[in-house]
Amino acid sequence: DTGVSQDPRHKITKRGQNVTFRCDPISEHNRLYWYRQTLGQGPEFLTYFQNEAQLEKSRLLSDRFSAERPKGSFSTLEIQRTEQGDSAMYLCASSLKGPNTEAFFGQGTRLTVV
Amino acid sequence: AQTVTQSQPEMSVQEAETVTLSCTYDTSESDYYLFWYKQPPSRQMILVIRQEAYKQQNATENRFSVNFQKAAKSFSLKISDSQLGDAAMYFCAYRSTPGAGSYQLTFGKGTKLSVIP
Repeated sequence: DTGVSQDPRHKITKRGQNVTFRCDPISEHNRLYWYRQTLGQGPEFLTYFQNEAQLEKSRLLSDRFSAERPKGSFSTLEIQRTEQGDSAMYLCASSLKGPNTEAFFGQGTRLTVV
Repeated sequence: AQTVTQSQPEMSVQEAETVTLSCTYDTSESDYYLFWYKQPPSRQMILVIRQEAYKQQNATENRFSVNFQKAAKSFSLKISDSQLGDAAMYFCAYRSTPGAGSYQLTFGKGTKLSVIP
């Protein structure tokens, strides 16, 4: 296992279409995070899972966004009815459980909505 | 809510010289964690260094060290003997302790560091 893997790396979609991204965390990590990063900004937190339970959601995660981690392993992030404002880099990170554990990031999925 | 401010959008440093990146934050919590992450052009974020607020001693990792001033809510990163591979975006980030119920990282807007040969 070489790290956090995200698929696809790039996605171009038309406005109004649905898109789904996948994240495979480091295998022994039970915590998984999604962040969104727009150009010139730092990453913004979207949501967090511990095993299969979604424990924290940001207000940025509108009703069009849904994330799952069905068996506590990989996670998916779906965006329905995409808008141009959804264009961003979507980053996934994972970590071990513990008070001071490092979050390891994937390379991200760059979404462009045209 | 916590905020993180990086006031230097861009910095440059001569190879082998020392550079300091600034970060300030705002919080009402007394215990927390602070991080510096590096994001090279390939976009994968890498942890550079971390600091636990209850530790007074400044963290050091090889050529990277921090100046943590808790009262001033300041957390600067010093890179010594700068190398070409240090060129990247650097993000300062804040995280509450687990007892606060949140594991999210709050990031600043970043500082783009260029290293001049």
